[in-house]
Amino acid sequence: DAGITQSPRHKVTETGTPVTLRCHQTENHRYMYWYRQDPGHGLRLIHYSYGVKDTDKGEVSDGYSVSRSKTEDFLLTLESATSSQTSVYFCAISDVSSGLSGYEQYFGPGTRLTVT
Amino acid sequence: QKEVEQNSGPLSVPEGAIASLNCTYSDRGSQSFFWYRQYSGKSPELIMFIYSNGDKEDGRFTAQLNKASQYVSLLIRDSQPSDSATYLCAVIPNRDDKIIFGKGTRLHILP
Repeated sequence: DAGITQSPRHKVTETGTPVTLRCHQTENHRYMYWYRQDPGHGLRLIHYSYGVKDTDKGEVSDGYSVSRSKTEDFLLTLESATSSQTSVYFCAISDVSSGLSGYEQYFGPGTRLTVT
Repeated sequence: QKEVEQNSGPLSVPEGAIASLNCTYSDRGSQSFFWYRQYSGKSPELIMFIYSNGDKEDGRFTAQLNKASQYVSLLIRDSQPSDSATYLCAVIPNRDDKIIFGKGTRLHILP
């Protein structure tokens, strides 16, 4: 357990509404990631962060923004949710500390988001 | 386009037998390789990682890496029903720090 929590765990929202998902970690890991997982596509990287206020885009970043104002929190925002953003969202961490090499990623429990 | 390929399965294996899962990758310079297990409705769990050619054993699990042929495999000995899950192969390509996941192989252990 890498001390990662995600909230909410389940959310149903309507098309066009803003949604923010939160990833919280308790062990000061430097790197944090947001993925979405869809049948037929596997895990795809949305955004990642390599430190406070340092973020970058992943493979499927359109329609998503992120923020990291504190080491422990990485927020994913859907500014105007669409049905194509219905998915399971996973947060992950990695770090070069506490026995970690920096390459292995550990995942949070996930958030199931449905956009109607 | 860097790719990681896995057979989607399902792969059915009798209890007690060896399950063999395979993964190929496109970037010849890839350096880091991972196997994750994902139970239905749960998050991926890292079970093995390997960085050098050859075999790496951890309990009932063995990861095998062959860089010349660009494949990595996972062997599960003495398969148990609790091993039934989807197994994700993941690779970090050379000169790129973003991990790429395969779509996973569903493994079903038959009691």
